[in-house]
Amino acid sequence: DAGVTQSPTHLIKTRGQQVTLRCSPKSGHDTVSWYQQALGQGPQFIFQYYEEEERQRGNFPDRFSGHQFPNYSSELNVNALLLGDSALYLCASSQLSTGPSGYTFGSGTRLTVV
Amino acid sequence: KNEVEQSPQNLTAQEGEFITINCSYSVGISALHWLQQHPGGGIVSLFMLSSGKKKHGRLIATINIQEKHSSLHITASHPRDSAVYICAPIIQGAQKLVFGQGTRLTINP
Repeated sequence: DAGVTQSPTHLIKTRGQQVTLRCSPKSGHDTVSWYQQALGQGPQFIFQYYEEEERQRGNFPDRFSGHQFPNYSSELNVNALLLGDSALYLCASSQLSTGPSGYTFGSGTRLTVV
Repeated sequence: KNEVEQSPQNLTAQEGEFITINCSYSVGISALHWLQQHPGGGIVSLFMLSSGKKKHGRLIATINIQEKHSSLHITASHPRDSAVYICAPIIQGAQKLVFGQGTRLTINP
């Protein structure tokens, strides 16, 4: 039973570019949440997707957007990258019925903006 | 003031020592995760608890919802326990976690 899969594992982008990160949830999970973890900090909530719609959003600018597909996988898009967007981006999946108590985390995508 | 405060931020100990990591939070919560994050980033949930105490092998987690405090204990610590431990409460009525800054634990042989 595959857990949460994130891709790519690492990538380097230049300021001003756009990036797309991908997440496949654990089998049986229908909700995907995205978090940003800056170096030495705890993760910060970006947004959550369920039924292909954004259900909740943290305090992130509109440059951060997402999408959920009918197979429950999700993408995180970041436009006009800034140096401060360099971080580990974590995806967590769950069932809506269990909420965060049933979270399974991916290994993350480490984004470096130069 | 952060919603979640962990202490200590860094902890270095010798193999075999008893380890305690503390977490205090200021928001109403329904439950709380203790997470382990190894270098490379992957996060694993060690415990999810809403009251009392849970034990798994050498790990013990306790929570006092009224006092807004939780602790993670490691008995007979081992170098493979070296990781970042993160306290992550589930905000009451919300479908998201808030995270502490983490405690970086290093166990020397």
